[in-house]
Amino acid sequence: NAGVTQTPKFRILKIGQSMTLQCTQDMNHNYMYWYRQDPGMGLKLIYYSVGAGITDKGEVPNGYNVSRSTTEDFPLRLELAAPSQTSVYFCASTTLDRGHETQYFGPGTRLLVL
Amino acid sequence: GQNIDQPTEMTATEGAIVQINCTYQTSGFNGLFWYQQHAGEAPTFLSYNVLDGLEEKGRFSSFLSRSKGYSYLLLKELQMKDSASYLCAVRDRWGGGNKLTFGTGTQLKVEL
Repeated sequence: NAGVTQTPKFRILKIGQSMTLQCTQDMNHNYMYWYRQDPGMGLKLIYYSVGAGITDKGEVPNGYNVSRSTTEDFPLRLELAAPSQTSVYFCASTTLDRGHETQYFGPGTRLLVL
Repeated sequence: GQNIDQPTEMTATEGAIVQINCTYQTSGFNGLFWYQQHAGEAPTFLSYNVLDGLEEKGRFSSFLSRSKGYSYLLLKELQMKDSASYLCAVRDRWGGGNKLTFGTGTQLKVEL
């Protein structure tokens, strides 16, 4: 298993540009999440999904959109990039095993909006 | 909502023991997690507590007191590679999705 993979690893955007951050997991996990992490801060939940076709907002969803057409993929879309979206973005997936949840994180995408 | 507090920074000596505390406030506690995050890398899962008491896993142990809204992560026989940020995260039973709320992390520096 490759686990959770994210592309790209790093990207520079101009204000107003759009892009999609890709996230794929090959562990057949139902639950997937997108977080952002600003310098010296914890992780803030942007969006999450409990299964294919189902998505919901997290703590900081403004300026982002997601889709979940398959179990494996959970892309995050930025439509009009703003400097405030400069951050490191982590995708995670999780599975419940006898009531014990373990979250696996992807390597992250560093985004700089200028 | 939830509120999670942990110290911003800690320094300890190689070979020593360090305890990182986390206090939380939540309306529907359903589990507490500890993650380790090295600079520039993704968080990695360390431990999980849902019942009161101590969970031990090698050099790492995590303790939970639900009545006090308190947890700690204990690292024994510190090594230089333990220098990292340690994130406390709480799961709430309300709202669905097994979502976690993360603290801002404790930056641990291990010195010779």
